Amino acid sequence: GAVVSQHPSWVICKSGTSVKIECRSLDFQATTMFWYRQFPKQSLMLMATSNEGSKATYEQGVEKDKFLINHASLTLSTLTVTSAHPEDSSFYICSARMRLAGGSGANVLTFGAGSRLTVL
Amino acid sequence: GQNIDQPTEMTATEGAIVQINCTYQTSGFNGLFWYQQHAGEAPTFLSYNVLDGLEEKGRFSSFLSRSKGYSYLLLKELQMKDSASYLCAVRDQTTSGTYKYIFGTGTRLKVLA
Repeated sequence: GAVVSQHPSWVICKSGTSVKIECRSLDFQATTMFWYRQFPKQSLMLMATSNEGSKATYEQGVEKDKFLINHASLTLSTLTVTSAHPEDSSFYICSARMRLAGGSGANVLTFGAGSRLTVL
Repeated sequence: GQNIDQPTEMTATEGAIVQINCTYQTSGFNGLFWYQQHAGEAPTFLSYNVLDGLEEKGRFSSFLSRSKGYSYLLLKELQMKDSASYLCAVRDQTTSGTYKYIFGTGTRLKVLA
């Protein structure tokens, strides 16, 4: 089945540093990937839609210069948290659309395992 | 705007049946999804509805009424491993023709022995 690989799973960094999170589609091509953020005991908040070969589309309230997204190939999207601060500590999850086998043919989101960022 | 509502928490007993409701308001509805998420893990896909009616998949079923902006996830023969958060998500078509997947707040289900 479709697999989305996300690395690193855990990262701890000092305030002011930048952290890059990678999201790869392992056995399919993903022209679009979605980046979500999740706070403890809360649901997924869509941050941005990553489009291969073009600029990402950011949701309202998400700082483009803070969360840099690059989707340089059909199998890789990266999220870079620049000049991280403690309030950026969160669970970041990427996802890609996969078409369901069978009659419905719907596009279902397949998620990476997530990256837990802690900024000290 | 977009709005998706679910109960925050539910508790049920092993072997029982539980129904988790979801109401939504979106401008470009294009399908509703249910995901299961265990603590500290990524969500996994459970079901998909785009037309009105019931979709059954083993112990899990999902229902959709587009006119009412309403869906529910039905879990039968509950097992302890079903303790997790259940996320209702709507695929919304934007004015530019692209699609976004918007998640509700999630319902934390606790299954008791």
